[in-house]
Amino acid sequence: AQSVTQLGSHVSVSEGALVLLRCNYSSSVPPYLFWYVQYPNQGLQLLLKYTSAATLVKGINGFEAEFKKSETSFHLTKPSAHMSDAAEYFCAVSDRGGSQGNLIFGKGTKLSVKP
Amino acid sequence: DGGITQSPKYLFRKEGQNVTLSCEQNLNHDAMYWYRQDPGQGLRLIYYSQIVNDFQKGDIAEGYSVSREKKESFPLTVTSAQKNPTAFYLCASSPGLIRLAGYNEQFFGPGTRLTVL
Repeated sequence: AQSVTQLGSHVSVSEGALVLLRCNYSSSVPPYLFWYVQYPNQGLQLLLKYTSAATLVKGINGFEAEFKKSETSFHLTKPSAHMSDAAEYFCAVSDRGGSQGNLIFGKGTKLSVKP
Repeated sequence: DGGITQSPKYLFRKEGQNVTLSCEQNLNHDAMYWYRQDPGQGLRLIYYSQIVNDFQKGDIAEGYSVSREKKESFPLTVTSAQKNPTAFYLCASSPGLIRLAGYNEQFFGPGTRLTVL
């Protein structure tokens, strides 16, 4: 069975500091991996996805993530935090058709950005 | 503009009432999904539908019902059997298995916040 673990339900950084949100996955087959962002009282928006092309994936708003098979990780980073990055972030995993491609979501990490 | 719409944005329910949440998409997607979101619990799958006139239970289907009579619509009914329905409900769609090009990216609507009075 697939699963996703996001380490840290809350992360706080200063404006301009590095953002690092951690995601580890469990999957018996090579996975597809996604990061979504959710602003308060809104739906989820796709930030980036890993679909086995390049291991370093660049997304919107300056975010990127690196797929590391040996560590079963897909951590999300951004070199310099902006106040507008304050939101909740969800990591998700999908297998390659075994469960009809349904996504399994982590519990989310709420990012706060201090001025 | 293609996208997913959910209505209403806020919904209040009295004890013992059934309520229906609307979800419509004009992305020509085959698959549609309903999720429930509670603080600190991530997204939990209620029901999903890969094709018109067919749907499957997700992880927390008890107390909910759905229909998929049209490709673009996937309404969710929260019945009186759902004991704790206060939550944020999200609808999503994806191109689906028929057009699956290796992965199944989901697109989300803006959500409906349901509160039981």
